[in-house]
Amino acid sequence: DTGVSQDPRHKITKRGQNVTFRCDPISEHNRLYWYRQTLGQGPEFLTYFQNEAQLEKSRLLSDRFSAERPKGSFSTLEIQRTEQGDSAMYLCASSPTGPKGEQFFGPGTRLTVL
Amino acid sequence: RKEVEQDPGPFNVPEGATVAFNCTYSNSASQSFFWYRQDCRKEPKLLMSVYSSGNEDGRFTAQLNRASQYISLLIRDSKLSDSATYLCVVAYSGGYQKVTFGTGTKLQVIP
Repeated sequence: DTGVSQDPRHKITKRGQNVTFRCDPISEHNRLYWYRQTLGQGPEFLTYFQNEAQLEKSRLLSDRFSAERPKGSFSTLEIQRTEQGDSAMYLCASSPTGPKGEQFFGPGTRLTVL
Repeated sequence: RKEVEQDPGPFNVPEGATVAFNCTYSNSASQSFFWYRQDCRKEPKLLMSVYSSGNEDGRFTAQLNRASQYISLLIRDSKLSDSATYLCVVAYSGGYQKVTFGTGTKLQVIP
């Protein structure tokens, strides 16, 4: 399967714990995005990478959130000191460089903070 | 005002009906437009890009009106399998491909 993959698919954690999610984009795509989606809402942009450079971060991304893409391939999203309000689906998407920029999504990581 | 606005629905339509969704956007510098489909508890999947001249893919037709800043999606001969949430997506290259999703319009096709 050459699509976007995410791991884990589900994560249940207790408030205050740290969690880390991984995204493997489509191999030839150099753009990578992280989104958060809650029930009844569209995906909300969190951050964007062009290769290994993090070029944009949403105001939604508090200092408890950090993302990396060290070699321009896979990316990780870490949430420190999780809160119940962090419970959501975390989606990763990749796209090729170019004016059109269609994005291809991974299956997401569903986070539940107890 | 939200950057991208959609009627959340739900739109309940019988099989075989024609249904249309609109989406308005606020940034006149927007350059690319898409419709994504999202099934319940699944990731969004690209349905079609929207071109200035309008485009059609089988039973689906997308239109763009830059002057009024809206895009539309028309589904003809609705199938039960069309039941999903349809997300409007607007993008512009503000140094990168800034992408904004609407909240989605829920469609339920009824037998």
